[in-house]
Amino acid sequence: NAGVMQNPRHLVRRRGQEARLRCSPMKGHSHVYWYRQLPEEGLKFMVYLQKENIIDESGMPKERFSAEFPKEGPSILRIQQVVRGDSAAYFCASSFVLAGVTGELFFGEGSRLTVL
Amino acid sequence: DQQVKQNSPSLSVQEGRISILNCDYTNSMFDYFLWYKKYPAEGPTFLISISSIKDKNEDGRFTVFLNKSAKHLSLHIVPSQPGDSAVYFCAASARDSNYQLIWGAGTKLIIKP
Repeated sequence: NAGVMQNPRHLVRRRGQEARLRCSPMKGHSHVYWYRQLPEEGLKFMVYLQKENIIDESGMPKERFSAEFPKEGPSILRIQQVVRGDSAAYFCASSFVLAGVTGELFFGEGSRLTVL
Repeated sequence: DQQVKQNSPSLSVQEGRISILNCDYTNSMFDYFLWYKKYPAEGPTFLISISSIKDKNEDGRFTVFLNKSAKHLSLHIVPSQPGDSAVYFCAASARDSNYQLIWGAGTKLIIKP
């Protein structure tokens, strides 16, 4: 499967625990984007990364959230000390070039985080 | 501060008729507009896009119209088919914002048999 792979698809955590969401971009893509979708809302940009670099994290909450895209391995979105408000679908997307230039982002199927 | 607005949360259309999905924006610096389609439990998939230098782009049953003076774009699907039932997101980007995509909240399209 050459598409964007996200795991886990579903994750349940209790308040205060850590959540780690992984994303493997499409082969050959070096641009990775994380989005969050809250119930009844659209996609909200969180962070844009290239290999080993965070390019734009303007949509990321300042505390508890972090993202990385190491030289080897998947991109990871990490949420520490989760709260109920973190419950959402987290989508990862990748592109070959900067997304808005060509328009086309390839999305994974999302990771649905539920915080109890 | 919603720069991209899709004011209709849902739309119901008879199969075979035209579906028109609307999107309004406030930032005059947007120079690229896109529509994505999303099925339940799946990620969005790119559908069609338009540059601000154009006012129309057509791809099969899908046509996007851009009215820059009104800051409005629309997606026309004709004829509508059952498989078109999905949530449609409008998104926009601007060169001076590093082409970060700004998304609308989506419109759920329901095609009735």
